[in-house]
Amino acid sequence: DADVTQTPRNRITKTGKRIMLECSQTKGHDRMYWYRQDPGLGLRLIYYSFDVKDINKGEISDGYSVSRQAQAKFSLSLESAIPNQTALYFCATSDPGHHTGELFFGEGSRLTVL
Amino acid sequence: GQNIDQPTEMTATEGAIVQINCTYQTSGFNGLFWYQQHAGEAPTFLSYNVLDGLEEKGRFSSFLSRSKGYSYLLLKELQMKDSASYLCAVPQDTDKLIFGTGTRLQVFP
Repeated sequence: DADVTQTPRNRITKTGKRIMLECSQTKGHDRMYWYRQDPGLGLRLIYYSFDVKDINKGEISDGYSVSRQAQAKFSLSLESAIPNQTALYFCATSDPGHHTGELFFGEGSRLTVL
Repeated sequence: GQNIDQPTEMTATEGAIVQINCTYQTSGFNGLFWYQQHAGEAPTFLSYNVLDGLEEKGRFSSFLSRSKGYSYLLLKELQMKDSASYLCAVPQDTDKLIFGTGTRLQVFP
């Protein structure tokens, strides 16, 4: 089983709909992140959280919101989806006590907004 | 702010050696990461450099020069499975990882 699990893996929706992408992890890490990936633009940070009471905006937070329901769960919401939010979304975790602090990624959620 | 540059695409032949360069500009330096990402899959960690010099790990090595704001990933004895994107990343403000746009490597027989 994956240590970082994202649901759904694929979603097609229409403009104006509300969408939630969920992420859960069994790694016991405090830090969680949401990135989106677009061709030619690489991975861009949307939001990140260092514990249950901590939420921080990343590079491209407009149009998105997040909720850290528990240490293991971090969800990303699009309140009113628009076509330019079509992308591959990744959740990631990290442990600051790890010697590299590397990120561990989920398998990704591909979102298409029509 | 953060600025990370790496080539968009590279090609190489099976069995050859390829070097993927990355230049960066940061307000403070807290290490440099390389990730590998196969098409449609999650990125996976390859290497982390925080001191100058070469770190070798099997067929892959990563080099860092902090004074030049420069790193490279060296892949030896290329295999077809090495066809992937290679992402250079640096931490911003010590707490969040910022990625370059990635280098897509295609290995041909």
